[in-house]
Amino acid sequence: LAKTTQPISMDSYEGQEVNITCSHNNIATNDYITWYQQFPSQGPRFIIQGYKTKVTNEVASLFIPADRKSSTLSLPRVSLSDTAVYYCLVGGGGGSYIPTFGRGTSLIVHP
Amino acid sequence: DSGVTQTPKHLITATGQRVTLRCSPRSGDLSVYWYQQSLDQGLQFLIHYYNGEERAKGNILERFSAQQFPDLHSELNLSSLELGDSALYFCASSKRGQELNTEAFFGQGTRLTVV
Repeated sequence: LAKTTQPISMDSYEGQEVNITCSHNNIATNDYITWYQQFPSQGPRFIIQGYKTKVTNEVASLFIPADRKSSTLSLPRVSLSDTAVYYCLVGGGGGSYIPTFGRGTSLIVHP
Repeated sequence: DSGVTQTPKHLITATGQRVTLRCSPRSGDLSVYWYQQSLDQGLQFLIHYYNGEERAKGNILERFSAQQFPDLHSELNLSSLELGDSALYFCASSKRGQELNTEAFFGQGTRLTVV
């Protein structure tokens, strides 16, 4: 199972773009990269998933370089409600998939 | 609303007791995962069921057990409860437990307090 490394915490201000980078040096060929968001006392919520290059949805963008050893979640123009913990997960390349969460990145958005 | 329903939302019980947490997955989802989240341990994977069969075990104590029924709902049984078992317990479901990475949908959790 590919291990992921993310910053423990980040601070930002309303209206700014936030980029959270995750390292996954031993990602397998078939593995996908998935990001989840979790608010206090709530279950994690899927944000975005990708395999390579760039993926964008209504919430975020995910940038994945050619070597796939890292990925960057980009949140445009954050608001106070984006304060949450963000988890980077890698896996699903084959066999039974278990979403495995690390400690995530605690993002605090300030007014 | 993720479509995953967990009951009860809150549970307070005494040490040594046994409780059952229930999870109804999203309609059509075959996989159910259970997680424990405490302040000092983060989100820990406990066990995975796929279409009624146990598929994987994580850091699940022997005092804990689970099952998935023919209608695909799942129950997590916690016995001989200790103070340290106090935590949020989440259930998640997804369509598949194998092959491609798929999105997991989480319930709102059951907050267990052991006193």
